[in-house]
Amino acid sequence: GDSVTQMEGPVTLSEEAFLTINCTYTATGYPSLFWYVQYPGEGLQLLLKATKADDKGSNKGFEATYRKETTSFHLEKGSVQVSDSAVYFCALSDPNTGFQKLVFGTGTRLLVSP
Amino acid sequence: SQTIHQWPATLVQPVGSPLSLECTVEGTSNPNLYWYRQAAGRGLQLLFYSVGIGQISSEVPQNLSASRPQDRQFILSSKKLLLSDSGFYLCAWSGDNPGNTIYFGEGSWLTVV
Repeated sequence: GDSVTQMEGPVTLSEEAFLTINCTYTATGYPSLFWYVQYPGEGLQLLLKATKADDKGSNKGFEATYRKETTSFHLEKGSVQVSDSAVYFCALSDPNTGFQKLVFGTGTRLLVSP
Repeated sequence: SQTIHQWPATLVQPVGSPLSLECTVEGTSNPNLYWYRQAAGRGLQLLFYSVGIGQISSEVPQNLSASRPQDRQFILSSKKLLLSDSGFYLCAWSGDNPGNTIYFGEGSWLTVV
């Protein structure tokens, strides 16, 4: 079945450092790919998404490019802030089903220190 | 705009007691609805989804059940809670077209003691 693998955390960075969180996927078709973020004590918020190969999703300075050849969707940000500390989830869904079933990775905790 | 709310936000329940978590969506009609669980130290797991009133599909066998009595209302229940039911429960919705994004509620923390 479909699956998502993302790097284990925590990832600890200083403010203004460059961030990469790796995400790779396994899917039989052409899934849509997502990054969700969970701030402490809150639910999940959609951060960005990409629906086809070579699409780049971006939001709040974060970017991720849908790479079909490497089955990857790595999350990047050029300069992190303390407020970016959160858990980041990579996910996929098969857009051809009658409903949206998200398959999540296990999440990567990001800790940014001043 | 569409909004989703779930409650209660936090609850502590004894083993063997019943459970009811409620979720409502506003600003849309005929949404797909979902219940996810995030157990401690683990990722998110889809428990139930619904494509319409009274239509419930279960993804994993468990001690929980779900119901959809109205178009925009989704309820997660248990008759007798187990310790292993502890976790963070998230309700979510999406449009009924393929490719729509899933949006999550604020979550409910359940601790079974």
